[in-house]
Amino acid sequence: NAGVTQTPKFQVLKTGQSMTLQCAQDMNHEYMSWYRQDPGMGLRLIHYSVGAGITDQGEVPNGYNVSRSTTEDFPLRLLSAAPSQTSVYFCASSHTGVSYNEQFFGPGTRLTVL
Amino acid sequence: GENVEQHPSTLSVQEGDSAVIKCTYSDSASNYFPWYKQELGKRPQLIIDIRSNVGEKKDQRIAVTLNKTAKHFSLHITETQPEDSAVYFCAAWITGGGNKLTFGTGTQLKVEL
Repeated sequence: NAGVTQTPKFQVLKTGQSMTLQCAQDMNHEYMSWYRQDPGMGLRLIHYSVGAGITDQGEVPNGYNVSRSTTEDFPLRLLSAAPSQTSVYFCASSHTGVSYNEQFFGPGTRLTVL
Repeated sequence: GENVEQHPSTLSVQEGDSAVIKCTYSDSASNYFPWYKQELGKRPQLIIDIRSNVGEKKDQRIAVTLNKTAKHFSLHITETQPEDSAVYFCAAWITGGGNKLTFGTGTQLKVEL
C-alpha cells in the first residue's frame, strides 16, 4: 500500500492564482482531512470528510474548497491564493470518523504564495 | 471553539533525563487523545494514544497519563536519546460540532549529548 499520497510536494503561486492540492489514499479509509501547519500554530484543520459525498468545515476553512466524489480522493482547492495561505499542507485519513482511529498523514505539500 | 493548549513550546534535556509535555483540553466530551512526533521535514506520526476510560498507558520509554476531571493529559519520555529530538503534538478528538481532531501547538524537544 502507498498509504496517503499528496501532490505536488512543492508549489509556488502568485497572489490570485488558483490551484488544487491532490490527496489520495489506498487504505479504503472513510475519514479524510486537510490540515495546514504554520510555525508556532500546530496543525489546524481546514476541511474534513466522513465519507464520499460528505464534507464539513474545520477550524480555518475560508479560502479553501473541498469535494469527496470517491472514497480514495480528497482534493483541496485554493480559489484565489493569498500570501496568508503560505503554509505546509497535510492530508490525513483514518478508518472511520469515530474516535480511537489513528490518523495517517501524507508527506505534505509546501505552498508559497507570492 | 474547542481548543487544546500545550506546554512548553520548547524543551531541552540532557540525554538520559526524562521529558514531560503537558496538554489541556476544553471539550469535556473528548474521548481520545493521541500524541504525534514530527521530525524535521517529515509528516507527523502517531507514537502513543490513550482513551478516556484509561488513566495511564505505557509503551517502552513513552507513557501518557490522563486526568479527565482536570481535563489534562501528559506525555512522559524516560531515558531520552538524541533520536527523540523532534516536535511533539498532543491532540484531542472533539465530538461537539462534528468529529474532528484538534491539535496543540507543539513542543520542540531537544535532547543534548
